[in-house]
This record gives sequence, C-alpha cells and structure tokens, in this order.
Amino acid sequence: QQPVQSPQAVILREGEDAVINCSSSKALYSVHWYRQKHGEAPVFLMILLKGGEQKGHEKISASFNEKKQQSSLYLTASQLSYSGTYFCGTGSYNTDKLIFGTGTRLQVFP
Amino acid sequence: DTEVTQTPKHLVMGMTNKKSLKCEQHMGHRAMYWYKQKAKKPPELMFVYSYEKLSINESVPSRFSPECPNSSLLNLHLHALQPEDSALYLCASSQAEVSYEQYFGPGTRLTVT
Repeated sequence: QQPVQSPQAVILREGEDAVINCSSSKALYSVHWYRQKHGEAPVFLMILLKGGEQKGHEKISASFNEKKQQSSLYLTASQLSYSGTYFCGTGSYNTDKLIFGTGTRLQVFP
Repeated sequence: DTEVTQTPKHLVMGMTNKKSLKCEQHMGHRAMYWYKQKAKKPPELMFVYSYEKLSINESVPSRFSPECPNSSLLNLHLHALQPEDSALYLCASSQAEVSYEQYFGPGTRLTVT
C-alpha cells in the first residue's frame, strides 16, 4: 500500500510556488518528507507526527491531515536548489517500517 | 557528525560471486535500514535492525543476508545475485524507530553481470 503522490512532476520558474500531496490508504502515525537529487541519497526535510500538525522552515512547510490520511508539502518562492525528486514516507502504528510514496519530480528553471 | 558512510561506492559482480556491502554510522542511532532503489522509483525497504536485532525482513530473497555486528555497523552479504538485483542500495539510520528522521548514506551502485 504505497502512498500516492501528486502531481507526478512539476516544472517551475524561480520564485513560483508548488504544492505536493501525499495520500495513504492506511491510518498514519507519521509522515516524513525527503528530497533526492539525481545520483544522490535522499535528504530529510521534515517529519510530522500529529494529525493537524504543520511545520516549516524557511520557505518549505508541510501539513498532516490524519483524518484524511494525507500530507502536503508547500514550497514557496522556489529556488534552483529545490530541484529534485520529493518523496513522502509514511509510518504506521506499531511498526518500524517507513513506506515511501511514488515520488514527485520537481524542476526549477531560471 | 551526521554522516552515514557506505562502501564500496560502486560494485560490479558476477552471478556466482559473493560480496558484501558495508554501512557505518557514529550518531548513536539504534535503528538501521537497508533499502533498494531502482532508477526513477522510490527507495524500497529491505531490512530493519532495531537495537542490533533484525526487526523487519520484507520477504527479501535469501541471496541477500543482512548482519549487524554492533550498533554502528550494518552489512549486507550478497550471494548468487541475479541481473534484476542491479540497483542502488541505500543504508539509513535513525535515532530509534519510525517516528524519527532517517539519515541516508550515499549508496552503493550495484551491477550484476
């Protein structure tokens, strides 16, 4: 039951905003967000542990709707360095397992 | 030090070879993970070690054999692999289990010929 992300791909100009969504068919305990640049390892962005929690640092923030089993990642005033593939990772109760979503490829152009 | 190291960076092996992938972290993390990642796909969980004990094996074929010699080291022993096993193998660690962020190593690019 892999979480489904939407959209699959986004193309932006520098300074534009984007929203990436992550939906799960299972009850969620936690949602992680990671960014992976081509040829590199995934890098942790943030984790949300409570339904309704919102987090952010600088121009990247996220929300977690536990009832809807969804999370969204908000990227504002995008920079070239935001380019990469974004994965959500969902954790369920009573397990050490993190299941990664289908991924969203984001490209930012000057 | 928030680094997870993996060796080797690249590995080419034949189907009859035996090789090992190594992963090391010095952050005092108690959970360590092996993931397999194919091109343009998300990382796929293979194994989880929690407090040096295997806690999750995602029905991985026995030609992959994990080992956790101590709390800082994680190995993945490979034997009689198939060409479809060619992928990027990522190691990760976290403070404890899934409610903590995972730190990933750079990965080993494995090619099975």
